[in-house]
Amino acid sequence: NAGVTQTPKFQVLKTGQSMTLQCAQDMNHEYMSWYRQDPGMGLRLIHYSVGAGITDQGEVPNGYNVSRSTTEDFPLRLLSAAPSQTSVYFCASSSLSGRRDNEQFFGPGTRLTVL
Amino acid sequence: DAKTTQPNSMESNEEEPVHLPCNHSTISGTDYIHWYRQLPSQGPEYVIHGLTSNVNNRMASLAIAEDRKSSTLILHRATLRDAAVYYCILRAGSGNTGKLIFGQGTTLQVKP
Repeated sequence: NAGVTQTPKFQVLKTGQSMTLQCAQDMNHEYMSWYRQDPGMGLRLIHYSVGAGITDQGEVPNGYNVSRSTTEDFPLRLLSAAPSQTSVYFCASSSLSGRRDNEQFFGPGTRLTVL
Repeated sequence: DAKTTQPNSMESNEEEPVHLPCNHSTISGTDYIHWYRQLPSQGPEYVIHGLTSNVNNRMASLAIAEDRKSSTLILHRATLRDAAVYYCILRAGSGNTGKLIFGQGTTLQVKP
């Protein structure tokens, strides 16, 4: 299993540009989520999904859109990038059933800079 | 979501035990206590979790106070690779939506 994969690893955008951060998992996990981590800070939840077609907002959803059309993929869209969105973005997934719902698996992160 | 309080930083010597404390005085009866750690430039990784009883796994031990208002993550012999930020997180046990809400965590430094 590849686990949780994220692309790209690095991205530089100009203010106002849009882009999509990709996240995929091959563990058939129902739950997927996006976090951002600013320098020296803990992770903050942006959006999450408990299954295909179901998404919900986390702590800091403004400026981001998500959709979940398949179990495997959970892309994060920045509609109009702002310097305040400069951060490292992590995707995570986990099972929601049985004993396996105790562990979330995180991707390696995407480092985004908005100029 | 119930909050946790951890010291900002701790230091340890290599090959000595480390006790990382966490206070969670507003924990509810169904909240699980989870610990994750984040090595430099990596995503977080699961360490251990528990509800009421102490727990052991290959990475660490988790000691939970009888009133569940605090817990301690124990690394039995710290190595340089254990230098990381350690997060103590409460996760709802009922109506599980999978959400993890991270706090600031404790930065552990391990000295050779």
